[in-house]
Order: sequence, then C-alpha cells, then structure tokens
Amino acid sequence: EIVLTQSPATLSLSPGERATLSCRASQSVSNKLAWYQQKPGQPPRLLIYDASTRATGIPGRFSGSGSGTDFTLTISSLEPEDTAVYYCQHRASWPLTFGPGTKVDI
Amino acid sequence: EVQLVESGGGLVQPGGSLRLSCAASGFTFSDYTMYWVRQAPGKGLEWVSYIDGRGGSIHYVDSVKGRFTASRDNAKNSLYLQMNSLRDEDTAVYYCARGTPTLAYFEYWGQGALVTVSS
Repeated sequence: EIVLTQSPATLSLSPGERATLSCRASQSVSNKLAWYQQKPGQPPRLLIYDASTRATGIPGRFSGSGSGTDFTLTISSLEPEDTAVYYCQHRASWPLTFGPGTKVDI
Repeated sequence: EVQLVESGGGLVQPGGSLRLSCAASGFTFSDYTMYWVRQAPGKGLEWVSYIDGRGGSIHYVDSVKGRFTASRDNAKNSLYLQMNSLRDEDTAVYYCARGTPTLAYFEYWGQGALVTVSS
C-alpha cells in the first residue's frame, strides 16, 4: 500500500498570501496524484489531477506540481473561501489512498 | 448536470447489514467507473470500492473485503453497496463518487449517507 503524508497539518495565513501544501508518497506514483478541497459539511471537490492539471471550473490560483514521490499544491493568492481541508490521493495502484489532509485557515 | 444521491444510511448494530444506494443522473451512467469513499466522523477520506462501467471489474480496500459488495444496475442508473458484518469502525459518511472519464480520480461526489454502527 502506498502511504501519502501531508505537511503541514495546519496552515494559518491571511487573504492574498501564498499557500504551499506538500504531499509525499512512500514510493513513486509517477504523476498519478490528485488534490481535493473539502469544506465543512460538504463532499470533497476535485481541484487538480495527474499532479498538475486543473479540473473543470477550478480557478487559476490553484496549481499543482511534482512527480515521483514529492508533490505540491500552491494557492497563489488566498481568498477567504479557500478555508478548507486539502487532501492528496494517488491512483498508481490498489488500494487507492488519500493523505491525512492539510487544514488551511484564512 | 451530474447528480449523485445516496440513500439507505442509518443506525445498525454491530454484526448487522445495510445496503446503500446511489442514484445517478445527468450523464451516461454505464460509461463511467463508480466508487464508494467513506469518512469517519472528524477523520480523513478512505476509498472503499471501485466498479467499472459494466460491473465486471471490482476492487475493495482490504478492511472491507469479504464483508462489502459493490454492484451496479446500469438500466436503473444506480450504484449499490451491500454492507454485511458491520463493525464499529465502519461508522462513517459514505460518499458515492463518479470517476473521471479514463482515470481513477473522483470527479463528482454525492452529499453522502451516514452509517452508524452501534449497539
């Protein structure tokens, strides 16, 4: 099983600041990694897939990078509505797994 | 508009059974892989099952193998999860999710169904 770890656990920033979230895999997942945003009481929303491709309707301030074992989600200029928990997920092999999440407080 | 609506959640005793349903609309159901993903209260996300468009290929997380069965009825645009021998640790919100067209990511999600396993 591929284990995903995320850091930091919590990120507290101000509107307009840049957020950098990290996801590390226990073995290479190539570029087979996605990022999701989950707000309280809501299901997750797909933000980025295959490490760097924005999903439909996702604002340009969200970007993803990385390959192999190290990945980054960047939110270039935080908006108040970006307050959420962000999860990474790989599709490299069964079982599909998620990271534990990074909580972003704005 | 893609819509996924789960039903069938509730309170069940340990060892009991429950069947979740997910009604899909707004897309050609048989063209897409479908998933169940769960989230224990206050915890992170856990993938539970995968089923391909025809229902011929199914995968499960190890913790539910032999207890849960995913199925689909393409004529009814519906996905199911039969859950047997339920344990306390199965308590969670269960989400139905549609895959992206060709990749194992979760593109659309339902609002979830709460399953509580408790005596």
